[in-house]
Amino acid sequence: SQTIHQWPATLVQPVGSPLSLECTVEGTSNPNLYWYRQAAGRGLQLLFYSVGIGQISSEVPQNLSASRPQDRQFILSSKKLLLSDSGFYLCAWSSRPGHPSDGELFFGEGSRLTVL
Amino acid sequence: AQTVTQSQPEMSVQEAETVTLSCTYDTSESDYYLFWYKQPPSRQMILVIRQEAYKQQNATENRFSVNFQKAAKSFSLKISDSQLGDAAMYFCAYKIYSGGGADGLTFGKGTHLIIQP
Repeated sequence: SQTIHQWPATLVQPVGSPLSLECTVEGTSNPNLYWYRQAAGRGLQLLFYSVGIGQISSEVPQNLSASRPQDRQFILSSKKLLLSDSGFYLCAWSSRPGHPSDGELFFGEGSRLTVL
Repeated sequence: AQTVTQSQPEMSVQEAETVTLSCTYDTSESDYYLFWYKQPPSRQMILVIRQEAYKQQNATENRFSVNFQKAAKSFSLKISDSQLGDAAMYFCAYKIYSGGGADGLTFGKGTHLIIQP
């Protein structure tokens, strides 16, 4: 069965410090990968998605970047965090067309980032 | 751009009763998916139910069912025999059927469901 894990679960960082959130998927190959941010009362906002190694699409301009160094690894980074980067970050994966779960997103446990 | 609207920020229901959560969406596409996700206090998003737009029959999953009105662009979730474990944030989501593209889901802002014992 497929599993997705992201870490760390909780992170408290000072303004101006770097960030690295990591996400890995097991039990599937060549998944689509996604990073979402969830702010209070605002639902989930898609930040980045990737269809393959080294292929990253950004949905919104921001202080963050994403990378996919391996097929099932997705990393969210920042060189200098801002207060506005605080939030709950969710990694997700989806299967390729033709799979019965086509269209569905499978989410990780989430990472709570607090920037002070 | 597609939008998803959940007009009820919070709903409350007595245990064992039935509750309906509303969702409307705006799209010019004819082929798409609709989803309801549940986010309990643990914060992990869990799929509750999904509906393909080409299917006229409403999806059901045990105590959960939807009322999909394509012409009205409405996709409500009905929870029957509400249980304490149903307490969570519920998100309605839309995804265009892009035949292989990696478009993510577009989410509504959520409805906080409270179950009264």
